[in-house]
Amino acid sequence: DAKTTQPTSMDCAEGRAANLPCNHSTISGNEYVYWYRQIHSQGPQYIIHGLKNNETNEMASLIITEDRKSSTLILPHATLRDTAVYYCIVRRTGNQFYFGTGTSLTVIP
Amino acid sequence: DTGVSQNPRHKITKRGQNVTFRCDPISEHNRLYWYRQTLGQGPEFLTYFQNEAQLEKSRLLSDRFSAERPKGSFSTLEIQRTEQGDSAMYLCASSSPVGGDEHEQYFGPGTRLTVT
Repeated sequence: DAKTTQPTSMDCAEGRAANLPCNHSTISGNEYVYWYRQIHSQGPQYIIHGLKNNETNEMASLIITEDRKSSTLILPHATLRDTAVYYCIVRRTGNQFYFGTGTSLTVIP
Repeated sequence: DTGVSQNPRHKITKRGQNVTFRCDPISEHNRLYWYRQTLGQGPEFLTYFQNEAQLEKSRLLSDRFSAERPKGSFSTLEIQRTEQGDSAMYLCASSSPVGGDEHEQYFGPGTRLTVT
């Protein structure tokens, strides 16, 4: 599976949109982009996934560039409860999830 | 549905002792995964079951580690002759493919192992 590159940490003001970038320049055509997050002392939680098109659900939006070499997770109105480590993963369905070190997002009041 | 549960939540053991952890997946999920997570790192895949069959094992899973899922429901992970390097959070996840695809894994709260 392709590797991903994410910033180590980011801050976001409460109520503002949090935009978390991810580079996956070696992604192949059948690999999906997944986002999970892990709040301190809990197991990871699924957020969203996509293949080519942008996706939106009740938690977040996923914007994938046309060449699929990068993506951005958008939390539209960040709250203090969104403070967590966010993992961007690319994976072929059926394969294992390989988590990197993720981006530690801190939402500031 | 109560989600994925893991027991115990915390375990402190002395080096050289054996420990066993249990994972109860979401009831209709046929896939079960074990991961290990050390401080500051993301979870690392250890092994994967589909029903009772163990289909994949990571190189991280040394011969001191063994996992079972005897009836395709709960799973156990045993570590024999524990070492200090085994100290970590052990996470269990389960999933159920929809239409042949599996996109979401549901994680339990983990078992934190401390080897002294």
